[in-house]
Amino acid sequence: NAGVTQTPKFQVLKTGQSMTLQCAQDMNHEYMSWYRQDPGMGLRLIHYSVGAGITDQGEVPNGYNVSRSTTEDFPLRLLSAAPSQTSVYFCASSYSPGKGEQYFGPGTRLTVT
Amino acid sequence: QQPVQSPQAVILREGEDAVINCSSSKALYSVHWYRQKHGEAPVFLMILLKGGEQKGHEKISASFNEKKQQSSLYLTASQLSYSGTYFCGTEGKSGAGSYQLTFGKGTKLSVIP
Repeated sequence: NAGVTQTPKFQVLKTGQSMTLQCAQDMNHEYMSWYRQDPGMGLRLIHYSVGAGITDQGEVPNGYNVSRSTTEDFPLRLLSAAPSQTSVYFCASSYSPGKGEQYFGPGTRLTVT
Repeated sequence: QQPVQSPQAVILREGEDAVINCSSSKALYSVHWYRQKHGEAPVFLMILLKGGEQKGHEKISASFNEKKQQSSLYLTASQLSYSGTYFCGTEGKSGAGSYQLTFGKGTKLSVIP
């Protein structure tokens, strides 16, 4: 099993550009989530999904869109990148939000200039 | 809402013990603990569920007070490999009624020889 994979590993965007961060898992997990990590702020939940076709907002959803058309994939879209979105983004999955171990992807380091 | 962790940072000598605390203002269904090394993704340590069930690594111990919505992680006889940032994650209900996992800001632990 590859676990949770994220692409790209690094990305530099200009303000106003859009892009999609990819996340995929091969463990048949229903629960998937996106976090951003900034110095001193810990891991903050952006969006999450409890299954294909079902998504919900987390703590910091503004500026981001998600969709979940398959169990395996959970892409995160930045609609119009801003410098405040410079961060490290982690995707995670588990069979349950609370009862199962969260498996984290390796992260995407995004810089918006 | 992020759970609150304390202390923010701690320095230990090898062999010393430490306690990291986590508290939430919301009703909790489970508490997670993860450790993150610099430049890497968080790694699972333990889950504590309502009713007393625990799942995790044998050398890690933790407690979960459901009534007070608090958890503590106990690190005994610390080793150099224990260094890293420790995150607690709490499972609670969102405004929309679904379950989500939110993390605290982290506790940076440094173990020195």
